[in-house]
Amino acid sequence: QKEVEQNSGPLSVPEGAIASLNCTYSDRVSQSFFWYRQYSGKSPELIMSIYSNGDKEDGRFTAQLNKASQYVSLLIRDSQPSDSATYLCAVNGAGSYQLTFGKGTKLSVIP
Amino acid sequence: GAVVSQHPSRVICKSGTSVKIECRSLDFQATTMFWYRQFPKKSLMLMATSNEGSKATYEQGVEKDKFLINHASLTLSTLTVTSAHPEDSSFYICSAGTSGRAGSYEQYFGPGTRLTVT
Repeated sequence: QKEVEQNSGPLSVPEGAIASLNCTYSDRVSQSFFWYRQYSGKSPELIMSIYSNGDKEDGRFTAQLNKASQYVSLLIRDSQPSDSATYLCAVNGAGSYQLTFGKGTKLSVIP
Repeated sequence: GAVVSQHPSRVICKSGTSVKIECRSLDFQATTMFWYRQFPKKSLMLMATSNEGSKATYEQGVEKDKFLINHASLTLSTLTVTSAHPEDSSFYICSAGTSGRAGSYEQYFGPGTRLTVT
């Protein structure tokens, strides 16, 4: 059974701070890793993808992957109230479209 | 990123009727699409994988005769909720897969359809 674990939160950070979201996965052969943002009542939106060990930066977002530890994280710098949402970690294996999702971490950025 | 549309965005129907939801990939071809259901404050639940030109693959516990899926073209999949009941009221979301970096597949979600069965 493939599993993706996330702390459900809520994670509260003050505006301007760094928000750190963490995710672990059980399937060692997982190859692709994704972060989705889901606002309340809306569908998930893909915000970051990462495929190799290390960091990947896109604007205020940085995804970090450590395959040896089976760990992926998302850092949000200069957090804004508009970043308040549930963040879903998702993982898939080689040649597979199907994603295994974590249950999501709810982030609240306090003005 | 790739764009996926869904129609309708909201639908209210009476118990016992059927409802069809369309999912379209607008700027790419998708051999595989997925249908999810999400209850309020709950996680996404994968219902089925829709494959163009072949039968859908349903997750355990999802009734294939109740949730009919048709993937007739590379840009369109439909989900029909047959004989809907109030417990089918939920947020239905489709997604479509497309190739990202070499060997990887990325999934993009439609905006969702909120179904209310009265």
